[in-house]
Amino acid sequence: DQQVKQNSPSLSVQEGRISILNCDYTNSMFDYFLWYKKYPAEGPTFLISISSIKDKNEDGRFTVFLNKSAKHLSLHIVPSQPGDSAVYFCAASGAGSARQLTFGSGTQLTVLP
Amino acid sequence: DTAVSQTPKYLVTQMGNDKSIKCEQNLGHDTMYWYKQDSKKFLKIMFSYNNKELIINETVPNRFSPKSPDKAHLNLHINSLELGDSAVYFCASSQDLGIRGYTFGSGTRLTVV
Repeated sequence: DQQVKQNSPSLSVQEGRISILNCDYTNSMFDYFLWYKKYPAEGPTFLISISSIKDKNEDGRFTVFLNKSAKHLSLHIVPSQPGDSAVYFCAASGAGSARQLTFGSGTQLTVLP
Repeated sequence: DTAVSQTPKYLVTQMGNDKSIKCEQNLGHDTMYWYKQDSKKFLKIMFSYNNKELIINETVPNRFSPKSPDKAHLNLHINSLELGDSAVYFCASSQDLGIRGYTFGSGTRLTVV
């Protein structure tokens, strides 16, 4: 029972264009969402987060959008750069989850020069 | 100055052996975790310790035993290794999840042959 789903295992985008990575969740108790970025042979590193009281959070080229009614969030990267090529994990946390993050399976983003 | 360090980075061992993976964090966090990334790339929580006390113990075989000698260390011991234990194991730490969620180690790739 996957409570956080990333249905696209991979995405290729041209350099300079927008990358949109999607994530869906099923647990309505989730109230905090994060995106992590992972390079090969490294651990995931925090990228951006959003609380359920917001519907958008922006940090430089990265913006996360949250649609609570649809239980959907997305990460927009604009403009995309070759260095953004990595696996992106969506994660969620909520009441009663004892500080536990539930992760999706990741999306491999490849930014083509 | 590594925040969360895991050793070893790679571990190849035969079925039936017992092995340990060590994890140390120098962030002063009070909670540490072990996650397993399986062949489908999901990051699944195995254990969590808060100030040396076990707070999350997901359904993992008894052959896996975490040990936390102090709040900066969380080691993972695995008895009677099986082929299906082959995976990447990530250690992480957090302080009340916070705005940045977890800080991950770089992972230990365990291969059981």
